[in-house]
Amino acid sequence: EIVLTQSPDFQSVTPKEKVTITCRASQSIGSSLHWYQQKPDQSPKLLIKYASQSFSGVPSRFSGSGSGTDFTLTINSLEAEDAATYYCHQSSTLPYTFGQGTKLEIK
Amino acid sequence: QVQLQESGPGLVKPSQTLSLTCTVSGGSISSGGYYWSWIRQHPGKGLEWIGYIYYSGSTYYNPSLKSRVTISGDTSKNQFSLKLSSVTAADTAVYYCASVDYGDYDFDYWGQGTLVTVSS
Repeated sequence: EIVLTQSPDFQSVTPKEKVTITCRASQSIGSSLHWYQQKPDQSPKLLIKYASQSFSGVPSRFSGSGSGTDFTLTINSLEAEDAATYYCHQSSTLPYTFGQGTKLEIK
Repeated sequence: QVQLQESGPGLVKPSQTLSLTCTVSGGSISSGGYYWSWIRQHPGKGLEWIGYIYYSGSTYYNPSLKSRVTISGDTSKNQFSLKLSSVTAADTAVYYCASVDYGDYDFDYWGQGTLVTVSS
């Protein structure tokens, strides 16, 4: 199965800061990479599909990029409500797999 | 917009079968356009995909759980279900149902999740 490795595992950031989270795949997955946000005690929510396409209703400060094996989720001008764990997910090859998650703490 | 709601027992005894149901609204499990999926999250851990069912009835299961998993659909109730047999404490997790867009293959809508604890 395809292994997704996110970095960092944890990041403490201040509001208005720009945040970058990376996801590396163990083999090429084209653009079949999606990003989710999970706040405490909530289910995950889709942010970005196919590496760079924003899902409906997602704030414009969230963006994604990358292809092949290396992908990035960027949050511009971080807001307090962005405190959450972020996961990447690949749909290139079954079984679907997720990264281990990146927890963002707002200082 | 598709909405999903999990239901089922919150406590299951070891060696028994875990059974959960996902009720879908805002979409039909008997029409194309979505796969209907189960995902779990162990306490404080990451996400693990369990499997999915398509409207045709075809299924695909994660090989790590394949020998113990069955996903089925009830079109009359617009529900799909998960059965996981021979459970152990390692199956204690929050179980989510989610829709997988047929074209994009992302989990676009999720239920709120239900915690299932395996304990005697």
